[in-house]
Amino acid sequence: GAGVSQTPSNKVTEKGKYVELRCDPISGHTALYWYRQSLGQGPEFLIYFQGTGAADDSGLPNDRFFAVRPEGSVSTLKIQRTERGDSAMYLCASSLTRGGEGEQYFGPGTRLTVT
Amino acid sequence: DAKTTQPTSMDCAEGRAANLPCNHSTISGNEYVYWYRQIHSQGPQYIIHGLKNNETNEMASLIITEDRKSSTLILPHATLRDTAVYYCIVRGAGSGGYNKLIFGAGTRLAVHP
Repeated sequence: GAGVSQTPSNKVTEKGKYVELRCDPISGHTALYWYRQSLGQGPEFLIYFQGTGAADDSGLPNDRFFAVRPEGSVSTLKIQRTERGDSAMYLCASSLTRGGEGEQYFGPGTRLTVT
Repeated sequence: DAKTTQPTSMDCAEGRAANLPCNHSTISGNEYVYWYRQIHSQGPQYIIHGLKNNETNEMASLIITEDRKSSTLILPHATLRDTAVYYCIVRGAGSGGYNKLIFGAGTRLAVHP
């Protein structure tokens, strides 16, 4: 079956602009996660959705970052007033269960470059 | 979640077993050990997880010490395609907020011909 997909695969934007990154989870997966990965480092947790609600947004770095999942499926990560430090790979993952032993399936990521 | 310690890098000859160690001395009783790997330019891929007992699947084996303070991921016959960064993660179970994966820097495994 189809895995997690993310669009676009690459995004280049100018400092100060607004960007949206999209994640399509595996069908039927109720849990969805966003991570950010800087070069040479492991992924860093941003936010976790269970259904439509953000159950844990403790990893969002500041209020320029926001994510939604209005229908409990597709999610959009929104970044306002982008800064050069936001340049990173943004990864989305989904899992069938909330917590427990549910393994997370990752998408290929969106590479964001802020110039 | 407990912190994990892994070697920065390892080498392995193709066809030989790759044994990747992980220390998690502060692990608590209800925390699982998970392994993921990340091949260059791809998202992380789940490999295996365990609580107390050793586990085996089609990809790898996971050996957890009796005191649970360390574990070893074993790739029995490494191939060039196994070259990747391998992450050992300790994660709680249950619905009470133990959902995020906390990645360290991982071990960069290089499999050579």
